[in-house]
Amino acid sequence: KQEVTQIPAALSVPEGENLVLNCSFTDSAIYNLQWFRQDPGKGLTSLLLIQSSQREQTSGRLNASLDKSSGRSTLYIAASQPGDSATYLCAVQSKETSGSRLTFGEGTQLTVNP
Amino acid sequence: NAGVTQTPKFQVLKTGQSMTLQCAQDMNHEYMSWYRQDPGMGLRLIHYSVGAGITDQGEVPNGYNVSRSTTEDFPLRLLSAAPSQTSVYFCASSSWGANYEQYFGPGTRLTVT
Repeated sequence: KQEVTQIPAALSVPEGENLVLNCSFTDSAIYNLQWFRQDPGKGLTSLLLIQSSQREQTSGRLNASLDKSSGRSTLYIAASQPGDSATYLCAVQSKETSGSRLTFGEGTQLTVNP
Repeated sequence: NAGVTQTPKFQVLKTGQSMTLQCAQDMNHEYMSWYRQDPGMGLRLIHYSVGAGITDQGEVPNGYNVSRSTTEDFPLRLLSAAPSQTSVYFCASSSWGANYEQYFGPGTRLTVT
């Protein structure tokens, strides 16, 4: 059974710092890995989707990498801003389950201090 | 496009009551799903559907029913609410298959007393 782990559970950084969030998964037979952002009391917003054949994806100040063989992904946030404060979730779409099902990690709660 | 909408936003039920959480999407997505989010447990899949008339169980289906009569709507029914069903419920939709981005609704916060 696929399991997804995110470390650390919480992170507090000063504004302007570059930071890395980590995600690991136990079964490397995946279609893709997705990173989401969740603001307090809100739904999830998709940030990046990395297909299993890709090594990384970039969107603005965000860069996500994928090492499928080692079961790891990182989300790099450059020049962090207070508006980046949120919970970041990673999820994998596994080949062991049908089609579009996602398995989520518990998230990293990020606070960027002005 | 409104995207994925959910109603109600908040709900308080007494143990044993029943209710339906509504979910609708206007993106013509085949795949729709329901998750619950609990502290320390992340998001867990309750039920999902790959098209009208087709539903299947996820990881934690007990105590919940679903049906899919149209492409747009995917309601989640609690048959007899229990305190263990206190949670935040999210509906999501996407095109069916691998490598499609999933879109989430704003959530319904349910408390069962």
